[in-house]
Amino acid sequence: GEDVEQSLFLSVREGDSSVINCTYTDSSSTYLYWYKQEPGAGLQLLTYIFSNMDMKQDQRLTVLLNKKDKHLSLRIADTQTGDSAIYFCAFTASKLTFGTGTRLQVTL
Amino acid sequence: DAGVIQSPRHEVTEMGQEVTLRCKPISGHNSLFWYRQTMMRGLELLIYFNNNVPIDDSGMPEDRFSAKMPNASFSTLKIQPSEPRDSAVYFCASSSWTVGDSPLHFGNGTRLTVT
Repeated sequence: GEDVEQSLFLSVREGDSSVINCTYTDSSSTYLYWYKQEPGAGLQLLTYIFSNMDMKQDQRLTVLLNKKDKHLSLRIADTQTGDSAIYFCAFTASKLTFGTGTRLQVTL
Repeated sequence: DAGVIQSPRHEVTEMGQEVTLRCKPISGHNSLFWYRQTMMRGLELLIYFNNNVPIDDSGMPEDRFSAKMPNASFSTLKIQPSEPRDSAVYFCASSSWTVGDSPLHFGNGTRLTVT
């Protein structure tokens, strides 16, 4: 079955870069996704990358995909307090599977 | 676009009672998903529909859980009878194609507490 792992918690200072990592065991996804969940809300699609790409940049966000190592990462440049949330990676094998989520805490 | 609308936002009920959660997907989306989120298990897919037809209900925990989609603009998730371990946040999500080819749009969830 699918197995997706993320670290549970990350704390960074405002203005620093954040890097959230995700490893998976099996994926036939066309796309790999990053979702953001703010308190009391549902998951919101943040960005995604095609499986045949190894990098995608979208303003402050950079997604890196290493298919050989089955590793996906999300880098947030100039992290702001509004970036505090839980971040989920997701991909499709037999069905859309979400990671366990990484709680990002931004401190002043 | 109003997004995916779920009701109620909060539900508190006693063990043994029937609970019905409601979802209105984004207009034009033909796939609908029900998820459950808990601290212990994270986000779990319970069931999903494509064109109003249930495709995969393997995540439905027990026969106490049932889901329907009578038309393209409405779905319900029912728990009967409810138990304290059903306490969780239940999310509905919709997309415009089958899983993996279109991102999911989530509602804000229903927080269910069973006492």
